Amino acid sequence: DAGVTQSPTHLIKTRGQQVTLRCSPKSGHDTVSWYQQALGQGPQFIFQYYEEEERQRGNFPDRFSGHQFPNYSSELNVNALLLGDSALYLCASSLGMNTEAFFGQGTRLTVV
Amino acid sequence: LAKTTQPISMDSYEGQEVNITCSHNNIATNDYITWYQQFPSQGPRFIIQGYKTKVTNEVASLFIPADRKSSTLSLPRVSLSDTAVYYCLVGDYTGRRALTFGSGTRLQVQP
Repeated sequence: DAGVTQSPTHLIKTRGQQVTLRCSPKSGHDTVSWYQQALGQGPQFIFQYYEEEERQRGNFPDRFSGHQFPNYSSELNVNALLLGDSALYLCASSLGMNTEAFFGQGTRLTVV
Repeated sequence: LAKTTQPISMDSYEGQEVNITCSHNNIATNDYITWYQQFPSQGPRFIIQGYKTKVTNEVASLFIPADRKSSTLSLPRVSLSDTAVYYCLVGDYTGRRALTFGSGTRLQVQP
């Protein structure tokens, strides 16, 4: 079992650009959540997908959007990147009402 | 969601027992207490979850007093590899609810 896999592991983008991050959930999991973790802070919830729809959203602007595919994998898109978007982006998967979430290793995004 | 308070950092030595206490005065009836561990440049990892009294697994123990206003994560005989950030989360984590992390406790284990 490969667990939760994220790609790419590291990424450098310029202000104003757009970025897409990818996540494959743990085998058998149907729910994917995305988190942003700034340096020295705890992860902050961005949004959650299941049944291919956004179900919950944290306090993030519309520049952050996502998608879930029929195979449960997911993408996080960020438009018009700001320097403040530099962070570790974490994907977590879970199954149904099970409360245990499994996290990937994250994508380190640097905006210059 | 109940606000949590935990120490910013702790130091220990290999072989010692480490207890990290989390305060959550406003815990609600339906709230569970969950602890996650995070190593640098990795995602958090679920350690343990409980509702009341004591829960033990192969990694840690979780002690919750009767009033549930605090909880203590106990790590027996820590090693250098236990150096990490430990997060206490309190919430009604049923039905696919989002996790709310605080700043965590940075545990440094010395040889």
